[in-house]
Amino acid sequence: SAVISQKPSRDICQRGTSLTIQCQVDSQVTMMFWYRQQPGQSLTLIATANQGSEATYESGFVIDKFPISRPNLTFSTLTVSNMSPEDSSIYLCSVVVGSGVYNEQFFGPGTRLTVL
Amino acid sequence: TQLLEQSPQFLSIQEGENLTVYCNSSSVFSSLQWYRQEPGEGPVLLVTVVTGGEVKKLKRLTFQFGDARKDSSLHITAAQPGDTGLYLCAGARSGGYQKVTFGTGTKLQVIP
Repeated sequence: SAVISQKPSRDICQRGTSLTIQCQVDSQVTMMFWYRQQPGQSLTLIATANQGSEATYESGFVIDKFPISRPNLTFSTLTVSNMSPEDSSIYLCSVVVGSGVYNEQFFGPGTRLTVL
Repeated sequence: TQLLEQSPQFLSIQEGENLTVYCNSSSVFSSLQWYRQEPGEGPVLLVTVVTGGEVKKLKRLTFQFGDARKDSSLHITAAQPGDTGLYLCAGARSGGYQKVTFGTGTKLQVIP
């Protein structure tokens, strides 16, 4: 299993500013992901955080807006840049443990972001 | 884009009732997972099904993977207030771990 912590748990920010969210895992993991979720709705994958190389972004998400760092196998950050109210959401860090079809995906508690 | 449609979107029932949540797609998945998410928390994995027609039970929860591995259902017997939460299905493609596709979600409220 994996225990994931995120900081901050929530924040209220002014438009035009940036916020960096930290994700810490209690074990070394290869695959780490960042998701966005509107309360009560499904998850949208932002990017895969790769250790030692640039993150792989999904359609609709770009590095300039959501720069990601992955300095080692237990830590990653996601920055939400030049924020607007549309960026208000819950941001979740996730890791995959195991291999094959029985791998398990674990999630952090999320960071609830409100942009005014 | 592979879509996983869940139904119903919202469900409010009395304690003790039974319910079924459906997860449907036109795509084939190598495995399908069900998660439950409570407010302020991340989703928590409940079960993974991998074989067409597979049925798994977790106490009062019964999960089934469709024969063609395109759909799944979650049945809860005698629902309890502790079952309240957002239920998400997620499908993974074949060829090792791939990014999962999450379903649209079902919000369940069990009233005491």
